[in-house]
Amino acid sequence: QKEVEQNSGPLSVPEGAIASLNCTYSDRGSQSFFWYRQYSGKSPELIMSIYSNGDKEDGRFTAQLNKASQYVSLLIRDSQPSDSATYLCAVRSGGYQKVTFGTGTKLQVIP
Amino acid sequence: DTEVTQTPKHLVMGMTNKKSLKCEQHMGHRAMYWYKQKAKKPPELMFVYSYEKLSINESVPSRFSPECPNSSLLNLHLHALQPEDSALYLCASSLRGDTGELFFGEGSRLTVL
Repeated sequence: QKEVEQNSGPLSVPEGAIASLNCTYSDRGSQSFFWYRQYSGKSPELIMSIYSNGDKEDGRFTAQLNKASQYVSLLIRDSQPSDSATYLCAVRSGGYQKVTFGTGTKLQVIP
Repeated sequence: DTEVTQTPKHLVMGMTNKKSLKCEQHMGHRAMYWYKQKAKKPPELMFVYSYEKLSINESVPSRFSPECPNSSLLNLHLHALQPEDSALYLCASSLRGDTGELFFGEGSRLTVL
């Protein structure tokens, strides 16, 4: 079982819709959860961090964490074509400096 | 402007060459990292330098060697690389070594012929 799993997509949504990206992780001791956005040919950019169960909102982005289900998600409201990118879920667990990335979900926002 | 600066942005080298990738962070962070990313794959951690201690991913071959001249610089020395080492090499920094909030440079795209 992979440590961090994501559906590779592509996930296609129309402009203005809500995009829902999901991630599961295997280590119950995981403590910190992150979403990174990576445009094609560019480096990852941190967009959300979440540390406790529940929702965390930042502008059009909402991260949701359910540690009992070992599930973290990212909602993007009012999706824009500029949101088209690969979204990487990352989890910190299992030690002092270990951050594991999922394989990413490619999001396509159709104008 | 990115606060994690990587040079060069592109590097082409032969298998017998010795080259270096350089990374400098201007944020006063206490930890720096090298990641390797192949196409359509997630970043894989190679090295961490945090609080003056170097941690190594044991799966990384010895033809890659990190060097940390000071807390703002983390270089990656390359020697006798193989074509399969061609990838995007990402440097990142974080405020502390115990956080997953990483700030990446623009990357160095390496091609080994």
